[in-house]
Order: sequence, then structure tokens, then C-alpha cells
Amino acid sequence: DTAVSQTPKYLVTQMGNDKSIKCEQNLGHDTMYWYKQDSKKFLKIMFSYNNKELIINETVPNRFSPKSPDKAHLNLHINSLELGDSAVYFCASSPRTGEGETQYFGPGTRLLVL
Amino acid sequence: QQQVKQSPQSLIVQKGGISIINCAYENTAFDYFPWYQQFPGKGPALLIAIRPDVSEKKEGRFTISFNKSAKQFSLHIMDSQPGDSATYFCAASKGSSNTGKLIFGQGTTLQVKP
Repeated sequence: DTAVSQTPKYLVTQMGNDKSIKCEQNLGHDTMYWYKQDSKKFLKIMFSYNNKELIINETVPNRFSPKSPDKAHLNLHINSLELGDSAVYFCASSPRTGEGETQYFGPGTRLLVL
Repeated sequence: QQQVKQSPQSLIVQKGGISIINCAYENTAFDYFPWYQQFPGKGPALLIAIRPDVSEKKEGRFTISFNKSAKQFSLHIMDSQPGDSATYFCAASKGSSNTGKLIFGQGTTLQVKP
């Protein structure tokens, strides 16, 4: 009955590899997000989708590509992984897009690039 | 450019004491200010939020104080408990953007000693 779920929970990989992180929400929300939390715990928005439409696209290397097959899923594909990509990636969702909407976070995916 | 500055970085409080975390923002267009709580190994979760039309909001032991002229807001945790030990993030968003984009502070790690 998890509201926002992410897979995998842990991801250890070599530099240069390509990897994907999957996110699913069963809350019926319209909007989903990807955040990156670095080693100092700083949280930064990367992308946001509303009903499969990209609405936030922060200054993120184009090696990162989000894909939303439907409004309940938002996946993150990362090409040519670099050491600096090591972080915890959080998926979140909110009922609608807009200021004041509570964002519900998933448990995170801990990515370590060696 | 850090638009939301949070302090202190870490805080140790005795059980029963008051924990105070401060945030300052630069952009006067911000009009929604939530606080998120994150336990180790978990995703952040909304704790309490305020809009600038009120100077204070209280929910149980948690209170937000808001000073619009000073562009500052703070979280007060009364009767702090060991179970409150977590990382706390303030955040801000602009209503005019209509994207729901949250700008987070750097986080404060709170430890409540029994």
C-alpha cells in the first residue's frame, strides 16, 4: 500500500554505465517530480511532470532524461554515469501542479557510482 | 545562488526543550513556506506550512513564526522529544510560477537527547 514507490532502493554501478530508476505513485496524483539529494543533504528539484507533460526542467546535464509513460509513473534514465552523480534520488508526487500543493516523497534510490 | 538560507546546520536539544530552526529568503515573490521533516533512510514529509498573510501557525507542538518584513520564518518545536530527531528542511515557492517548484534550505539535523 506504498503511496510513492521507487525501484531500485540501492544502485551501485561503474562510471560510464547507463542506469534507470523507476517511480510509481498510487495516490491518483497528476504531478510527479524528481529530486536529487547530495551528500550534504541538499535537496534540489530536477524535473516535474503534470499528466505526462514536462513542466519543470532544471539545469540538469542532458545525460539525465525523465520519461512519463502515464501519470502514475515517472522514470529517470541516466546515461554515461559520472562520480558526481552519486546521490539519493527522490521521486515525489502532488495532487496537482501549483504552489501550495503538498508533495509526497518516495523512499529514495541511493546511487553510488564507482 | 541560495535563495533560502537555513540555520543552524545542526542542533542538539535536551528532551522537553524548545528547538528553533531559522530560515531567511530573498525573493519577495515567494508566498508559500512549508517545512519538511526527513528521518534517516526515508523521504521528506510535509510537517507544517504557512502563507505570508499570517504571522504564526501552530499544529500541536510545532509552530511556524513568519516575519514578512524581515523575510524570515522559523520552526519552533515545543517539548522536543527523541522521536523528533530528524533533518528539517524549510522551503519556499512562488505562486506566480504555477509549477509548484520548491526551493529548499540546506537542512538542519536535530538531535533530541533523552
